[in-house]
Amino acid sequence: EVVLTQSPATLSVSPGERATLSCRASQSVSSNLAWYQQKPGQAPRLLISGASTRATGISARFSGSGSGTEFTLTISSLQSEDFAVYYCQEYNNWPRFTFGQGTKLEIK
Amino acid sequence: QVQLVQSGAEVKKPGSSVKVSCKSSGVTFDKSGIFWVRQAPGQGLEWMGGIIPIFGAANYAQPFQARVTITADTSTSTAYLELSGLTSEDTAVYYCATDLTPLQPNGFDIWGQGTLVAVSS
Repeated sequence: EVVLTQSPATLSVSPGERATLSCRASQSVSSNLAWYQQKPGQAPRLLISGASTRATGISARFSGSGSGTEFTLTISSLQSEDFAVYYCQEYNNWPRFTFGQGTKLEIK
Repeated sequence: QVQLVQSGAEVKKPGSSVKVSCKSSGVTFDKSGIFWVRQAPGQGLEWMGGIIPIFGAANYAQPFQARVTITADTSTSTAYLELSGLTSEDTAVYYCATDLTPLQPNGFDIWGQGTLVAVSS
């Protein structure tokens, strides 16, 4: 079973700056990785799939990179609406899935 | 428009069962997986299992295998999650989700609104 470890648990960044979130897999998941954003009281929203492909309607400020076991979500020029919890998810053994434990992005 | 609409909140006694529904519209239901994810208060996302109706059988995450049954009714495009042997630790929001690429590995593009299940004596 794949374990996804996200770091850091909490990231404090000022508006307008860049945020870099990490997701590490315990074994290779190729490029079968997605990123989600979740705000309080809302369902998660898909941001990135295939490690680097933005979902429909997602701002170009969000970018994903990586393959194998190391992945990064980068959010450039943070806006107030970007402060939320972010999860990675692997689907290398589709239709079985694993989520990371999440990174909370908070305003510095 | 693709959407998933879930049944309403439930309050259950310990030891009982709960059945949550998820009605799909705008997707090819038999080829689109319906997957269930739960989120306990203040906690992260946990995949429980899912079903792709054209494949028939559901698959389950190991922690839930003994207590969860996921089914699908293709005549109404509705999937169901039944969880038995409820304890207070099952208190959570339960989400159904699907993707827009039938039969292709992908993330979850579409989510239901979530169903709160509270377990209390």
